[in-house]
Amino acid sequence: QKEVEQDPGPLSVPEGAIVSLNCTYSNSAFQYFMWYRQYSRKGPELLMYTYSSGNKEDGRFTAQVDKSSKYISLFIRDSQPSDSATYLCAMSAGNAGGTSYGKLTFGQGTILTVHP
Amino acid sequence: SQTIHQWPATLVQPVGSPLSLECTVEGTSNPNLYWYRQAAGRGLQLLFYSVGIGQISSEVPQNLSASRPQDRQFILSSKKLLLSDSGFYLCAWSPPPGGRRYEQYFGPGTRLTVT
Repeated sequence: QKEVEQDPGPLSVPEGAIVSLNCTYSNSAFQYFMWYRQYSRKGPELLMYTYSSGNKEDGRFTAQVDKSSKYISLFIRDSQPSDSATYLCAMSAGNAGGTSYGKLTFGQGTILTVHP
Repeated sequence: SQTIHQWPATLVQPVGSPLSLECTVEGTSNPNLYWYRQAAGRGLQLLFYSVGIGQISSEVPQNLSASRPQDRQFILSSKKLLLSDSGFYLCAWSPPPGGRRYEQYFGPGTRLTVT
């Protein structure tokens, strides 16, 4: 079993839809959670960073973390064609993972297409 | 603001040839540096990380090596490339201890094709 599971999709939605992207994980030591957006043939771009459980909102993006269920989500409101990309979740146990550098464990990525 | 550069952007190399990929970071000091490989349809695989000059840790045994000759320079090398070395190579940095070091910021990547 992988430490982080993410449905690769692809996911196709019409412009203006609410998009829900999800990851589940098995390591209860994870406490830092990130979402990256990666356009085709580009490096990943950090979208959201969340510590522990709760919600965080930034414009059209909302990140949710439910540590009791080991489940994180990214919601995109009023989706735009420019949101078409691969979305990667990433997690770190921080110092609790036994490292000082903050090793990240990534999901496989979900391919999202928003069509006009 | 911080900027991360990688070069070359694209590389086609024959099997058995050497490799040198370079990564530099601007606008920060003493960053943690990382090399990842991303194969098609797969997630990111951490290859090496460095917490300081000359300090390199390997995550995956392979025919690749890394060096950090300067604080903000990270180099990925190979003496003899294999077909399986093809992929998208990404360099990343994160703030040193005291900063939000669990956030990693990626460069534009180098697409390597070994023929």
